[in-house]
Amino acid sequence: DTGVSQNPRHKITKRGQNVTFRCDPISEHNRLYWYRQTLGQGPEFLTYFQNEAQLEKSRLLSDRFSAERPKGSFSTLEIQRTEQGDSAMYLCASSLSEGGVGIQYFGAGTRLSVL
Amino acid sequence: KQEVTQIPAALSVPEGENLVLNCSFTDSAIYNLQWFRQDPGKGLTSLLLIQSSQREQTSGRLNASLDKSSGRSTLYIAASQPGDSATYLCASPVSNFGNEKLTFGTGTRLTIIP
Repeated sequence: DTGVSQNPRHKITKRGQNVTFRCDPISEHNRLYWYRQTLGQGPEFLTYFQNEAQLEKSRLLSDRFSAERPKGSFSTLEIQRTEQGDSAMYLCASSLSEGGVGIQYFGAGTRLSVL
Repeated sequence: KQEVTQIPAALSVPEGENLVLNCSFTDSAIYNLQWFRQDPGKGLTSLLLIQSSQREQTSGRLNASLDKSSGRSTLYIAASQPGDSATYLCASPVSNFGNEKLTFGTGTRLTIIP
């Protein structure tokens, strides 16, 4: 499978615990995006990487959230001290952009439930 | 700031009928507009992408149009089938120094009645 891969697919945690999600983009895609989607809403942008550099973070990304993309390959999104409001689907997308606007390809998402 | 709206939020159509889904956007200076399909609890599948220089794109039974002057895009589905039941989302990139983050509508939940 050469698409965008996200793990785990589902995560149930208790409030206050830390969680980490992983995204493996399409090989050689230089851009990687994280979005969050709550029930009945469209996905909302969280953060964006060009290679290993995190270039923009949304105001939605509080200081409890941190994302990394070491070596410009896979990415991780960590949520510390989870709250019930963090319950959502977390989507990762990647694109290959060489001067133009690239098409984003999405993974299946990680559904987080905070009890 | 780009805002994307999709109305209606839900639509039920008998099998075999043709249907149109609507998407409105506020900033006509868009790079492209993309239509996605999302099955319950799943990720997004890209259906069609229309560049700003294009008026429409076709893939099988799907046809997407773009009218920048009116700020509207439509997704036409011909001869609908139960397997078309899903949520359909439209999105447009907001390019800011190369960050092509997508702004999404809230989606139209489509149900095809057998």
